[in-house]
Amino acid sequence: GIQVEQSPPDLILQEGANSTLRCNFSDSVNNLQWFHQNPWGQLINLFYIPSGTKQNGRLSATTVATERYSLLYISSSQTTDSGVYFCAVAPAGGAQKLVFGQGTRLTINP
Amino acid sequence: NAGVMQNPRHLVRRRGQEARLRCSPMKGHSHVYWYRQLPEEGLKFMVYLQKENIIDESGMPKERFSAEFPKEGPSILRIQQVVRGDSAAYFCASSRSYSYQETQYFGPGTRLLVL
Repeated sequence: GIQVEQSPPDLILQEGANSTLRCNFSDSVNNLQWFHQNPWGQLINLFYIPSGTKQNGRLSATTVATERYSLLYISSSQTTDSGVYFCAVAPAGGAQKLVFGQGTRLTINP
Repeated sequence: NAGVMQNPRHLVRRRGQEARLRCSPMKGHSHVYWYRQLPEEGLKFMVYLQKENIIDESGMPKERFSAEFPKEGPSILRIQQVVRGDSAAYFCASSRSYSYQETQYFGPGTRLLVL
């Protein structure tokens, strides 16, 4: 099945820093979503982005489908950005079950 | 406009008991997905259902686990004779249709602890 790899696995930054999280996937996809799992365990939808670029406030994401990767950018980090960021994909031509990466654990220190 | 609702949020069971997890999809959504998250891991797909139909259960353990999405009421994930390895967070997601352009929206999860 499709493989999803996220990097880095852990990232520790000071408040105000910028960060880039990467998601590589091994096959064509119909669906790609980025999620933030906060310290209370809730999964928050960030972006639905199977291709192209989107921005929402301090967050933006870019997916280059032909090269099979997606990037999540966080600018001017705040402590509330801490948590685990997951990339999830649904392979092209297949069912819509999402395959999740292992996540990037982001810690923003004050 | 309520999101995906799951209850209970936390569930404690002793080994051998049954666990029933409930999921009410977002209004207007007729597709439900269940995922399991073991500690320190990503989420893994378990089952995909539409009203009264199981579409894909390729991620469900072969024994003790079952799921349903009746015509009326929430979707239910049922775990019989729970074991310690079943301790995990169980998330439900819903989408409006099967279209590949549909976003899946996740509920807050049910944390199951088996003693």
